[in-house]
Amino acid sequence: KQEVTQIPAALSVPEGENLVLNCSFTDSAIYNLQWFRQDPGKGLTSLLLIQSSQREQTSGRLNASLDKSSGRSTLYIAASQPGDSATYLCAVSGNDMRFGAGTRLTVKP
Amino acid sequence: GAGVSQSPSNKVTEKGKDVELRCDPISGHTALYWYRQSLGQGLEFLIYFQGNSAPDKSGLPSDRFSAERTGGSVSTLTIQRTQQEDSAVYLCASSQGTGNRYTFGSGTRLTVV
Repeated sequence: KQEVTQIPAALSVPEGENLVLNCSFTDSAIYNLQWFRQDPGKGLTSLLLIQSSQREQTSGRLNASLDKSSGRSTLYIAASQPGDSATYLCAVSGNDMRFGAGTRLTVKP
Repeated sequence: GAGVSQSPSNKVTEKGKDVELRCDPISGHTALYWYRQSLGQGLEFLIYFQGNSAPDKSGLPSDRFSAERTGGSVSTLTIQRTQQEDSAVYLCASSQGTGNRYTFGSGTRLTVV
């Protein structure tokens, strides 16, 4: 059974800082890995999708990497803004999709 | 439709009653997933459908939970004899198939009183 772990559980940074969120998974037989954002009381918004054959994906200030052999992914956020405050979830897809518990990010003005 | 639609958005029910939660996936999406998110917790996988069949039901918490999908489209998650611990947000997602981007609905917030 796929186990997905996210570190840290919570992170607080001042505005403008670059930061890295970590995700690890136990079974490397995956189709893809997806990073989501969840705002309090809201649904999930897909940020980046990395196929198993890819090493990274970029969207604006976000960059996600995937090292399938070691079972790791990172989400890099450049020049963080208060609007980036949310919970970031990593999800790994095999035949189904398993989520980590998330990293709660707070960016202080 | 343009997105994944879930109904109702909120449901308050008395303990012991049955509830049905509905998910209408994006048209053409063959895969459909149900998750549960309790307050302050991560997403708990419940079940997924490929077409009308459910290859993996291992996430269903108890035999009070069941789900079906008809016509490869709408899915219904049924909870019988609801308990207070069933209170959570139930999220549905769909994709064109395994390995493709997943789109989530806004969820159904279930409160059992």
